[in-house]
Amino acid sequence: SQTIHQWPATLVQPVGSPLSLECTVEGTSNPNLYWYRQAAGRGLQLLFYSVGIGQISSEVPQNLSASRPQDRQFILSSKKLLLSDSGFYLCAWRTGNSYGYTFGSGTRLTVV
Amino acid sequence: QKEVEQNSGPLSVPEGAIASLNCTYSDRVSQSFFWYRQYSGKSPELIMSIYSNGDKEDGRFTAQLNKASQYVSLLIRDSQPSDSATYLCAVNLFSGNTGKLIFGQGTTLQVKP
Repeated sequence: SQTIHQWPATLVQPVGSPLSLECTVEGTSNPNLYWYRQAAGRGLQLLFYSVGIGQISSEVPQNLSASRPQDRQFILSSKKLLLSDSGFYLCAWRTGNSYGYTFGSGTRLTVV
Repeated sequence: QKEVEQNSGPLSVPEGAIASLNCTYSDRVSQSFFWYRQYSGKSPELIMSIYSNGDKEDGRFTAQLNKASQYVSLLIRDSQPSDSATYLCAVNLFSGNTGKLIFGQGTTLQVKP
């Protein structure tokens, strides 16, 4: 079966520290992968998407970057976190032939 | 203009009533539309997808699409307290040869026993 893993579940980081969030998918090959962020009480904002290894599209200019070193691995990074980077980070992949996405369980990041 | 717009609510309905959630979108080219349910502190889960004008029913849920009016809605019949959640409308936008889901801000539904 197809599953998506995301970790850690929660993270508290000081301002100026680096960040690395990882997402992996099992049971499929060459998936389209997506990173979304949800600020408190807000909708989902698309940050990055990737259609293949090494292919990253950025949706909004920001303090974050993404990489796809392997087919089923998607990483979200920052060199120096800002307070405004706090939020609920969600990885998603496109589900088969449907255009709907399946989301991982998310990482709640608090920058202090 | 936002690409996908929803009334943030909260929408409060009594148990057993019909809840009606609405969404409008700006891109006339969009062909795929989705409703997600998100419980507090959890990730969104897909509950309905619709691609053609008209109604699509799945159990207590009915999605309605009107592409001419750029309007999509979700009806929940016989609402239950367990339906209390935030409902996110999503529209698939194509960029080049790939699509990306754009979400509205969500409508919070409260079903009162």
